[in-house]
Amino acid sequence: GEDVEQSLFLSVREGDSSVINCTYTDSSSTYLYWYKQEPGAGLQLLTYIFSNMDMKQDQRLTVLLNKKDKHLSLRIADTQTGDSAIYFCAESSTGNEKLTFGTGTRLTIIP
Amino acid sequence: GAVVSQHPSRVICKSGTSVKIECRSLDFQATTMFWYRQFPKKSLMLMATSNEGSKATYEQGVEKDKFLINHASLTLSTLTVTSAHPEDSSFYICSALDRAGKNIQYFGAGTRLSVL
Repeated sequence: GEDVEQSLFLSVREGDSSVINCTYTDSSSTYLYWYKQEPGAGLQLLTYIFSNMDMKQDQRLTVLLNKKDKHLSLRIADTQTGDSAIYFCAESSTGNEKLTFGTGTRLTIIP
Repeated sequence: GAVVSQHPSRVICKSGTSVKIECRSLDFQATTMFWYRQFPKKSLMLMATSNEGSKATYEQGVEKDKFLINHASLTLSTLTVTSAHPEDSSFYICSALDRAGKNIQYFGAGTRLSVL
C-alpha cells in the first residue's frame, strides 16, 4: 500500500527558515497536501500542490515537489513561535479521495 | 477555507455507554465525509468513509457495529461509539470533502473521548 514518511522532530531558531521533508511511495499520487495540527486541535490545511507542479509559494510557505524522487518539502520562512505545531504531509490519487498521512513532524521553535 | 464543525470537543463517559459525535460542514455540501482516529503522538488512521444516503465504507479492522456512522444529510455525519470501553479512548477527527472546491478535505477540531 501507499507509504508516506516524515522525520519526527525539527528544531529551528526563531527567525530562521524551517524545512520539513516528506517522501512517498505511490507513483500515482496526484495531490499532495500539508496540514498543521496545534496541540489538542484538528488539522488545518496549509497548502497543497498538484503533481504537475514543481513549486508553489504562498506568503511565508513554499512547497517543492520532486516527482522523480517522490519527495515533497515545506519551507516556512522567518519561523515564528506561532509556527510550533505538528506538520503532516498527505497524498491522494486520482479517483481515490482517501488521504494517506505521514507520521507528522513536530516543529519546535528555539527563542 | 471551508468550515467543518465537530461536536463535542471533549467527552468523558462511563464504560458501557454510547457516545455520539457530530460532524457538520457549515458552508458547503459534503456528500463524502471521513472519520479518523488519532492515538497520542501518532498519525491519523482512517476508520471509515461516510457517504450521504448510503452505507459507510469501513477500513480493514474497524468494527462497523462498534462504530456506527450515519450520513443523513449533505451537511451532517455522525459517529456513534457503542458500548464504549477504555480502549476506545482516543482523539477522533472528522473531515468533509469539498468536491466543488478542488477536492480538498477540511477537518473538524476533533473530539477527545475518555472512557472511564
